[in-house]
Amino acid sequence: DAGITQSPRHKVTETGTPVTLRCHQTENHRYMYWYRQDPGHGLRLIHYSYGVKDTDKGEVSDGYSVSRSKTEDFLLTLESATSSQTSVYFCAISRDRQAYTEAFFGQGTRLTVV
Amino acid sequence: SQQGEEDPQALSIQEGENATMNCSYKTSINNLQWYRQNSGRGLVHLILIRSNEREKHSGRLRVTLDTSKKSSSLLITASRAADTASYFCATSRGNTPLVFGKGTRLSVIA
Repeated sequence: DAGITQSPRHKVTETGTPVTLRCHQTENHRYMYWYRQDPGHGLRLIHYSYGVKDTDKGEVSDGYSVSRSKTEDFLLTLESATSSQTSVYFCAISRDRQAYTEAFFGQGTRLTVV
Repeated sequence: SQQGEEDPQALSIQEGENATMNCSYKTSINNLQWYRQNSGRGLVHLILIRSNEREKHSGRLRVTLDTSKKSSSLLITASRAADTASYFCATSRGNTPLVFGKGTRLSVIA
């Protein structure tokens, strides 16, 4: 795995609580991404970052916020978790824009909202 | 919304056979990428093919791209049990991040 660590790997939380997932990379890649994977939907982009403090929304950004204060860390926050946010979350990184280069993925975080 | 759609959704073959998966997409692209995902793991990049390329090889993998038909295929030759996984195509357009299809689940039976 290309120097990407997601934490926690598993989490169960209650509806309405805030949750933060962390993605840490040691590759010094500029671009970082958060995807969610659900049965029947494949992978869908939540947010991505193209540099420190530079982020943009993806296809399914409602209910999520992100922050990137350092090159190596990209945080995904669920402000008030809902059952529809139960999913497997993947962080990915790329050296350049994905239009030009491949992405490397973390192992995933399985989040259950009860 | 999904840009790429894989076909078939699921495929079961015997070890040693070839496996072919197809991907169709709707708009012009910069490149098309194929990824593999083993159960419970993250995605692993297999091949990137650019819009001006028609075919690429990597070991037992062969990818073709037909931009006139907006389609790509991934061929795995002489499949092994270890090839059992889900395979995803992903497309990139302009400067936007990759958009993934829903995947093909490949089962290789020993």
